[in-house]
Amino acid sequence: TQLLEQSPQFLSIQEGENLTVYCNSSSVFSSLQWYRQEPGEGPVLLVTVVTGGEVKKLKRLTFQFGDARKDSSLHITAAQPGDTGLYLCAGPTHAGNQFYFGTGTSLTVIP
Amino acid sequence: EPEVTQTPSHQVTQMGQEVILRCVPISNHLYFYWYRQILGQKVEFLVSFYNNEISEKSEIFDDQFSVERPDGSNFTLKIRSTKLEDSAMYFCASTQKGENYGYTFGSGTRLTVV
Repeated sequence: TQLLEQSPQFLSIQEGENLTVYCNSSSVFSSLQWYRQEPGEGPVLLVTVVTGGEVKKLKRLTFQFGDARKDSSLHITAAQPGDTGLYLCAGPTHAGNQFYFGTGTSLTVIP
Repeated sequence: EPEVTQTPSHQVTQMGQEVILRCVPISNHLYFYWYRQILGQKVEFLVSFYNNEISEKSEIFDDQFSVERPDGSNFTLKIRSTKLEDSAMYFCASTQKGENYGYTFGSGTRLTVV
């Protein structure tokens, strides 16, 4: 089983602060994806990273895929209350027929 | 923007009853999935479906579960005899092709077994 561990599990910060969320595995993934999930809703895809060392930016969100393709990070600059949600990383199995989801980081941004 | 639509949004059923959860994937997507999320826990894979057959299923997806794409539009998940531990959010997802395309998830069906 390819496990994805996310840290921290919970994060509560003030509006305007920066934060980084981590997604780690002992397994190599061909790609990793980040989703954001709000209560009572399905996860919404934010980004897919494919190449080791790749960095992608989505407005104030910066995603990085580790060189060895075993880990990824999500950095949010100047967090806003609208960033509040559960952030999930996910990676495909070797067969590619399903995704393993990480344990999730629940982010609360306080106005 | 195209959406994955799930119905019903909430379903309450008595233990032992059959339930059918319905999904309409995005029309040009080829791969379909069911995932579930027990309250406060991880999103867990149930089953993937491609070319009118199951391509992979997890150990959760036992004989009580089945999937069907009856009419080329709907994608259903049936639980034959529900148990209390089946209570969860069930998410349908679809993707165009391959793991690098990312899923589009539906909003989920909250199943409560009493």
